Amino acid sequence: DAGVIQSPRHEVTEMGQEVTLRCKPISGHDYLFWYRQTMMRGLELLIYFNNNVPIDDSGMPEDRFSAKMPNASFSTLKIQPSEPRDSAVYFCASSTVSGRAGNIQYFGAGTRLSVL
Amino acid sequence: GENVEQHPSTLSVQEGDSAVIKCTYSDSASNYFPWYKQELGKGPQLIIDIRSNVGEKKDQRIAVTLNKTAKHFSLHITETQPEDSAVYFCAARETGRRALTFGSGTRLQVQP
Repeated sequence: DAGVIQSPRHEVTEMGQEVTLRCKPISGHDYLFWYRQTMMRGLELLIYFNNNVPIDDSGMPEDRFSAKMPNASFSTLKIQPSEPRDSAVYFCASSTVSGRAGNIQYFGAGTRLSVL
Repeated sequence: GENVEQHPSTLSVQEGDSAVIKCTYSDSASNYFPWYKQELGKGPQLIIDIRSNVGEKKDQRIAVTLNKTAKHFSLHITETQPEDSAVYFCAARETGRRALTFGSGTRLQVQP
C-alpha cells in the first residue's frame, strides 16, 4: 500500500479564501484522523471518523472548519474563510482495529498551509 | 480529558551515547502509549508502543518503560546514531477512545 496520501503538499492562499485539504487513507482502514501541527500548540486532534461517520469533532477550532468523508477512501478538510492563524501543517492519519497493526495510526506526509 | 507532558524539549547527545525522553499522563484510564518519530518534512512515524498491561518493551536499540502507578512512561534509545536525530513525540490514548493525545515533542540531536 502507498500509505496515507495527502494533497496538496503545500498550499499558499490569501486571507478570506477557501482552502480544501484532501486525504486518502490506507485501504481497509476504518478510522481516519485529522491533526494540526503548530509550534505553539504542537500536534492537536481536530476530528476523527469511524466508518465514514464523524465520531469526535471537539477539536475543530470554529465553524470555519469542516470535514467530510463521503466514502472509505477519501476525506476533505475545508477552511472557509481562511485566516493567517490557520497557517500550520495539517496531517491526516488512518488506522484499523484489527490484526497486529490494530491501534497504530499511520500518518500522511502532511499539507503545509500558509495563509497570507 | 487526557493531558500529556513531555520533557526535555531538546536533547543533544554524542553518537554512541544513550538518550532518554520522559512523559507523564493525567488520565489513569489511558491504556495505550505509542512513541512517534518525525523527521523534517515528514509525518510522524510509529517507532514503538506499549500497552498498560506491560511494564517494558524493547525493539533492538529502542525500549519503552511504563509505570502505571506514577503515570509516566519513557523512551530509551541506546547506541545513538546520527540518523536518530529527529523530533520524538509520546502519546496516550484513553480507554474507549481511538484518538491520541500527544506530548509537545523532544528534538533529539545526535552529534557525530
